[in-house]
Amino acid sequence: SAVISQKPSRDICQRGTSLTIQCQVDSQVTMMFWYRQQPGQSLTLIATANQGSEATYESGFVIDKFPISRPNLTFSTLTVSNMSPEDSSIYLCSVEVWGYEQYFGPGTRLTVT
Amino acid sequence: AQKVTQAQTEISVVEKEDVTLDCVYETRDTTYYLFWYKQPPSGELVFLIRRNSFDEQNEISGRYSWNFQKSTSSFNFTITASQVVDSAVYFCALSEANGNKLVFGAGTILRVKS
Repeated sequence: SAVISQKPSRDICQRGTSLTIQCQVDSQVTMMFWYRQQPGQSLTLIATANQGSEATYESGFVIDKFPISRPNLTFSTLTVSNMSPEDSSIYLCSVEVWGYEQYFGPGTRLTVT
Repeated sequence: AQKVTQAQTEISVVEKEDVTLDCVYETRDTTYYLFWYKQPPSGELVFLIRRNSFDEQNEISGRYSWNFQKSTSSFNFTITASQVVDSAVYFCALSEANGNKLVFGAGTILRVKS
């Protein structure tokens, strides 16, 4: 398994501002993923972040709105830019470890007012 | 395209009852992986199981068991002798290849009453 931490755990932000979410893993992993879970909904993949290459975004998500960095094999950040109330969600990072199991961080609860 | 359907939106049971959560999936790949996760009220997503498409053996882990049937494209999850602590949202998910994204079902809310 993997131990994953996220910062911040929650935040309340004003519309028009940006928030950067950090994801730290206790071991080196190739694949990291960022998901969004809107209130009462299931999880939707935002992008896949591989070290050394640009993130791959899913349909409906763009780099200008959700820029991602992956500077090394244990860390990634997701920025939610120019926020609106519709961005209020839980943002989760996940990693794939040996054995192809995917583990999730505790999530970042974002409220945009 | 891949799709996961969890038709049961919400299930309520009384403690000690057995409960089965249904999951039906769609994929064109012959190699794929199926997952179950638990999301308690605290919000974290807890990994429960991963099953690959070549392994149709049922699995049991304590009070949890999983029934994988390729013939019906189903991967159902049974909790035996449910407990209040089992109350959570349960998600079924599908990945079509190693290192690929997970596609999640809508989730089933399980409420276990004492």
